[in-house]
Amino acid sequence: AQSVTQPDIHITVSEGASLELRCNYSYGATPYLFWYVQSPGQGLQLLLKYFSGDTLVQGIKGFEAEFKRSQSSFNLRKPSVHWSDAAEYFCAVGPNAGNNRKLIWGLGTSLAVNP
Amino acid sequence: NAGVTQTPKFQVLKTGQSMTLQCAQDMNHEYMSWYRQDPGMGLRLIHYSVGAGITDQGEVPNGYNVSRSTTEDFPLRLLSAAPSQTSVYFCASSWDRRNTEAFFGQGTRLTVV
Repeated sequence: AQSVTQPDIHITVSEGASLELRCNYSYGATPYLFWYVQSPGQGLQLLLKYFSGDTLVQGIKGFEAEFKRSQSSFNLRKPSVHWSDAAEYFCAVGPNAGNNRKLIWGLGTSLAVNP
Repeated sequence: NAGVTQTPKFQVLKTGQSMTLQCAQDMNHEYMSWYRQDPGMGLRLIHYSVGAGITDQGEVPNGYNVSRSTTEDFPLRLLSAAPSQTSVYFCASSWDRRNTEAFFGQGTRLTVV
């Protein structure tokens, strides 16, 4: 079955520390991969996406993610976290072929940032 | 561009009432979808549309109807509200059917009492 797992429900880091949020997926073929961020009371905003090519992708707000096919993972990283990064982060996957491109979502990781 | 606009932002309904959640996008996107977000359950797809006149069910369609008469608008109708439909609802749109980047509205927080 197709699924996305974000193993960490909640993470707390100190401002200035590095961050890694994990995402593992189960899918029949190499999917499209996404990370979205949701600030409190807001909709979701795309941070970055992977379709093909370079497995290290850069996104907005200083985030990056690395696609590792052998591990079925797409972990999100940031070298130095800012207090404004406190939010909910969602990993999603979608098919890279066909017309029915429904996304499969992880349950999210809530990030808290200590001053 | 306003992006994806949802109205209302907040709504309280009584059990059995009906209502329509509005969603409009001004980006000429083909693909639009409705999600509900519940604690511990992430985002679940209710209905989606790949273009005007074409709609299909997602994973939790029961109790909801949609229509897509124009490219811009994709309203979600609750036929007879139930407490189980208390949730935050998000509308999203993508520029193509491959759903390569979804743009989200700010959500509607619905409470059914």
